Amino acid sequence: RKEVEQDPGPFNVPEGATVAFNCTYSNSASQSFFWYRQDCRKEPKLLMSVYSSGNEDGRFTAQLNRASQYISLLIRDSKLSDSATYLCVVLNAGNMLTFGGGTRLMVKP
Amino acid sequence: NAGVTQTPKFQVLKTGQSMTLQCAQDMNHEYMSWYRQDPGMGLRLIHYSVGAGITDQGEVPNGYNVSRSTTEDFPLRLLSAAPSQTSVYFCASSYSTGASQETQYFGPGTRLLVL
Repeated sequence: RKEVEQDPGPFNVPEGATVAFNCTYSNSASQSFFWYRQDCRKEPKLLMSVYSSGNEDGRFTAQLNRASQYISLLIRDSKLSDSATYLCVVLNAGNMLTFGGGTRLMVKP
Repeated sequence: NAGVTQTPKFQVLKTGQSMTLQCAQDMNHEYMSWYRQDPGMGLRLIHYSVGAGITDQGEVPNGYNVSRSTTEDFPLRLLSAAPSQTSVYFCASSYSTGASQETQYFGPGTRLLVL
């Protein structure tokens, strides 16, 4: 079993739709959690950290459920520019980041 | 600031050849790392460094060497290239090695093809 698992998608949604991605992690000792965004043939960039109480940044909301060991990302009012691959990232003991395989989102006009 | 730079952008090697992928950052970051990205696998950590003179192995270190003689530079050496090393390689850096390392800055990547 992969340490961080994501549905690879693609998720095809129309502009304006709300879409949610989940990510599960296997190491219960994981310390910190993040969502990165990666555009096609580009480097990953930090989208947002995920805090235990949940956090929001504009149209993006991240949630953490430690009991069930999953992280979610909700995107409201999807824009064409949101089309990208979203990477779930977990920081484990030893300060190593573990990346999920990514979920691809395609927002259509 | 140029951020994190990587050279070359593309490289084709023959099996058995060696080469060095260059990585440099101008943000005075202590922590630097190398990842490889393969389809469906996510990024996997090859080697990392918590400061000049200190390096350690990541998840997939075999076939690669690193050194960190300065804070700015963190080259990755392929000792004897194999087709299994065909991948996209990303170098990254961050301010610290603790929980705040979420602010990972990635270079643009090097696309390597080994024939």
